Amino acid sequence: GENVEQHPSTLSVQEGDSAVIKCTYSDSASNYFPWYKQELGKGPQLIIDIRSNVGEKKDQRIAVTLNKTAKHFSLHITETQPEDSAVYFCAASINYGQNFVFGPGTRLSVLP
Amino acid sequence: GAVVSQHPSWVICKSGTSVKIECRSLDFQATTMFWYRQFPKQSLMLMATSNEGSKATYEQGVEKDKFLINHASLTLSTLTVTSAHPEDSSFYICSASSGLAENYNEQFFGPGTRLTVL
Repeated sequence: GENVEQHPSTLSVQEGDSAVIKCTYSDSASNYFPWYKQELGKGPQLIIDIRSNVGEKKDQRIAVTLNKTAKHFSLHITETQPEDSAVYFCAASINYGQNFVFGPGTRLSVLP
Repeated sequence: GAVVSQHPSWVICKSGTSVKIECRSLDFQATTMFWYRQFPKQSLMLMATSNEGSKATYEQGVEKDKFLINHASLTLSTLTVTSAHPEDSSFYICSASSGLAENYNEQFFGPGTRLTVL
């Protein structure tokens, strides 16, 4: 089955710097890759997603890139702010979102 | 749009009792709902997938008689933890999908329910 790895497990950046979180997946049939932000005690919130027919997607300060050949995708956050501090999860799905396999998560801390 | 609610947000119960958690899609019809379990500082683990009007599909290692799932309508799914024990204490999160092709079955997550079994 699908296996999703995520690095780093923790990441600390200064406010205003960029943050990059990387994920790799094992199943080449995966075709949908969402990123979720989870704040303490809350459910995950979708922040951006990318489909297998697209290499890059951007939404204001957040961007995701996908390399299907290498089977990895990355989340890029620019001009980080303290409110970006949270746990971020990547996920991969082989059937357009019906079944997700989540990465282990990255705890991002943005220091003021 | 696409709001999913869960109730209760936090429940504390005695060992041996059963607890029901509700998951509702508030502004869309959810053809599929998913139930996840999350331990502290860990990732989300899929427990089961339920489609409206049919039996839930459980992931390997999840006891279907322990975690009863009902998806009676397009806006409501319930998870009942039967005869709860302290090891069942966890954060339970549901998600809902409309099944519409144009949004790739995007899953919308609820806020989660924290279960503490004494």
